[in-house]
Amino acid sequence: DADVTQTPRNRITKTGKRIMLECSQTKGHDRMYWYRQDPGLGLQLIYYSFDVKDINKGEISDGYSVSRQAQAKFSLSLESAIPNQTALYFCATSDRRMGSNQPQHFGDGTRLSIL
Amino acid sequence: ELKVEQNPLFLSMQEGKNYTIYCNYSTTSDRLYWYRQDPGKSLESLFVLLSNGAVKQEGRLMASLDTKARLSTLHITAAVHDLSATYFCAVDNAGGTSYGKLTFGQGTILTVHP
Repeated sequence: DADVTQTPRNRITKTGKRIMLECSQTKGHDRMYWYRQDPGLGLQLIYYSFDVKDINKGEISDGYSVSRQAQAKFSLSLESAIPNQTALYFCATSDRRMGSNQPQHFGDGTRLSIL
Repeated sequence: ELKVEQNPLFLSMQEGKNYTIYCNYSTTSDRLYWYRQDPGKSLESLFVLLSNGAVKQEGRLMASLDTKARLSTLHITAAVHDLSATYFCAVDNAGGTSYGKLTFGQGTILTVHP
């Protein structure tokens, strides 16, 4: 089983719909992240959470919200989806106890298309 | 605001040749990561560079970090087709206990052909 699991893997929806992307991890890491990937732009940080009660906005948080339901679960919501939110979304985790010696670990991504 | 720029963005190489990908960043940091992404796949960690002068090697890839120049390089030696992928550098731009917030470069799409 994957250490960082994202659901769904693919989603097609319509403008104005509410969408939730889910991320769960079995690595025991305290830190979780949501990124968006667009061609030619690399990955951009949407939100990050350093523990269950610590949630922070990233570079491009407008139009998104998150919920850290437990240490192992971090959900990303699009309250009213718009076409320019069509992208590949990644969840990642890291462990504060390991410090910066360890890289972030990424899920397999969710491909989201908004028509 | 931290900016991370990679060049080139597209690299077409012949098998057996050498080349270098550059990663420049705009503010002080001594933590830099290289990742590989195959088409339609997740990101795989390649190297973690944590100090000035750090050099890491794995197979045909070697990464280095010069924090004074704010520059990291990823050198490819005798390229093979299996190295075809997109390569990202990412810089940790927070200090103290807040490290872990990464800014990514745009990615370099590497294609190795016969």
